[in-house]
Amino acid sequence: GESVGLHLPTLSVQEGDNSIINCAYSNSASDYFIWYKQESGKGPQFIIDIRSNMDKRQGQRVTVLLNKTVKHLSLQIAATQPGDSAVYFCATTQGGTASKLTFGTGTRLQVTL
Amino acid sequence: DGGITQSPKYLFRKEGQNVTLSCEQNLNHDAMYWYRQDPGQGLRLIYYSQIVNDFQKGDIAEGYSVSREKKESFPLTVTSAQKNPTAFYLCASTLGQGVAPLHFGNGTRLTVT
Repeated sequence: GESVGLHLPTLSVQEGDNSIINCAYSNSASDYFIWYKQESGKGPQFIIDIRSNMDKRQGQRVTVLLNKTVKHLSLQIAATQPGDSAVYFCATTQGGTASKLTFGTGTRLQVTL
Repeated sequence: DGGITQSPKYLFRKEGQNVTLSCEQNLNHDAMYWYRQDPGQGLRLIYYSQIVNDFQKGDIAEGYSVSREKKESFPLTVTSAQKNPTAFYLCASTLGQGVAPLHFGNGTRLTVT
């Protein structure tokens, strides 16, 4: 079946460094990709999304890169801050259909001082 | 502030009892969703509703029931038939009828003993 997986369950980075969180997906028909941030005890918060007609999209301190050839996307966080500590997970779907979103298991980002 | 309100934040029940989780949104979103989050797993869709008085089963609907009598409200009942009900439950909504991204509430943690 369809799956979405993250490469590392935990990532530890120093404050001020850049963070890179990776995600692999299995469905080659996926054309819409989302990154969420989830802080402990809270609901997921939308960070950034990208469609398959793009390979890069930038937000505030975040960049998402999409490589459709190897079915891989990454989230880059510049100048990581303590407030970035959370679980990050990706989700994919076709045609932007929310009910068909497949979610990854998440990478816990720990920011050390 | 617009958002999704889930209540209560923590809920404890004895095995064999039905329990209803509340979800209210004031975003004027058409579609609403219920997900279950378990450690080490991606979010799994329980039920969703794209319009008032209509709802569809998700991937793990067994042991759950929902209603959508008002646009703003989408309560989830966890019945005694649900074999493993202890989990973190997330309610979400989308602006269009099923168009991502999802906007999430802050969840209800249900513990059944």
